[in-house]
Amino acid sequence: DIQVTQSPSYLSASVGDRVTISCRASQSISTYLNWYQQRPGKAPRLLIYFASNLQRGVPSRFSGRGSGTDFTLTISSLQPEDYATYYCQQSESSPPTFGQGTTVDIK
Amino acid sequence: QVQLQESGPRLVKSSETLSLTCTVSGGSVSSYYLTWFRQPPGKGLEWIGYIYYSGSTNYNSSLKGRVSISMDTSKKQFFLKVFSVSPADTAVYYCARVGRDGLLFTHNWFDPWGQGIQVTVSS
Repeated sequence: DIQVTQSPSYLSASVGDRVTISCRASQSISTYLNWYQQRPGKAPRLLIYFASNLQRGVPSRFSGRGSGTDFTLTISSLQPEDYATYYCQQSESSPPTFGQGTTVDIK
Repeated sequence: QVQLQESGPRLVKSSETLSLTCTVSGGSVSSYYLTWFRQPPGKGLEWIGYIYYSGSTNYNSSLKGRVSISMDTSKKQFFLKVFSVSPADTAVYYCARVGRDGLLFTHNWFDPWGQGIQVTVSS
């Protein structure tokens, strides 16, 4: 199975801050990397698919980049509704695997 | 707009079978992979398995043969059974559809998701 590791596990930031979350795969996955947001008590919500494609309806302050083994999710200006846990997920091979999550908290 | 909704018992006794239903509305199940995930309390997401509309299935080997997924295409429902459960199977269970239809489960993404259902296994 392909392992996916996120960093950091937790970060504290203020409204308006630029936030970057990293994701590293244990082997090359091309651009088959997706990002999800999960608010407490809610289902995951797709933000970015195939490393850099913004899902319809997701604000443009979210962006993704990377290929091979290293990927990033950036929130350009953190908003109150962005406080949540973010997961990356590889879809290069089965089983699909997720990072352990990055919790973004209010500073 | 496609929506998914999980339903089923929220409390299951150890050694018994967990049974859940996912109902799809507002969209197609044909040519899509339909999947189940779970999330133990305070932990991350684990893929359980999928069913394709043709009936083919695949499961996460971590569940060691304790899982079965089936579907009723006429009702646009698919089902999850987890056999011989223990308290370690306590989790929120989610159903989801892949984003792209077609033959590939991989090279895809998961959207939309159901709202999730909390299932507790009592010892």
